[in-house]
Amino acid sequence: EDQVTQSPEALRLQEGESSSLNCSYTVSGLRGLFWYRQDPGKGPEFLFTLYSAGEEKEKERLKATLTKKESFLHITAPKPEDSATYLCAVRVDTGRRALTFGSGTRLQVQP
Amino acid sequence: DAGVTQSPTHLIKTRGQQVTLRCSPKSGHDTVSWYQQALGQGPQFIFQYYEEEERQRGNFPDRFSGHQFPNYSSELNVNALLLGDSALYLCASSLLQNTEAFFGQGTRLTVV
Repeated sequence: EDQVTQSPEALRLQEGESSSLNCSYTVSGLRGLFWYRQDPGKGPEFLFTLYSAGEEKEKERLKATLTKKESFLHITAPKPEDSATYLCAVRVDTGRRALTFGSGTRLQVQP
Repeated sequence: DAGVTQSPTHLIKTRGQQVTLRCSPKSGHDTVSWYQQALGQGPQFIFQYYEEEERQRGNFPDRFSGHQFPNYSSELNVNALLLGDSALYLCASSLLQNTEAFFGQGTRLTVV
């Protein structure tokens, strides 16, 4: 069974304090790993797609990386507006198009 | 370019009632997926529609059903509502050949 585990569950940072969120996965035939940002009561907002080990994507203060077993979302010099839940999801090579999500990491950045 | 839109944004229903949620996909997208998100959890896949047919289904009972119209918009129907059906219901659209899924703002369903 496909599994996606995110850690930590919650993270509190000071403004400017860089850190990383982890997404580990156990799937057969990864067809893509996705990062989303979700604000309270809103739908997930697409951030990145990664397809193969070694791939990296960047957007503003965020950088996503992928290995064969996990992905990291690095946040450099975060600001309070980066506070949100960050969700990781995978799509596998079974012809299915459904996404399997982790439970997310709740990030709080304090000024 | 309008993104994925869902209606209504909030809904309160009584146990045993039926509910219909609606979704309009992002312009140019032909595939609609529905997800249920309980508080503090990641979204769980309900089902996916493409070319007006249900293509895939997650582990949800038959009380959950859907439809896709020729203009690619979609409905999610839930019958015989249970308290446990209270959740944020998310619609996501994509191109079948593309892998990025874009989500709407969700419908918050409360069953009392």
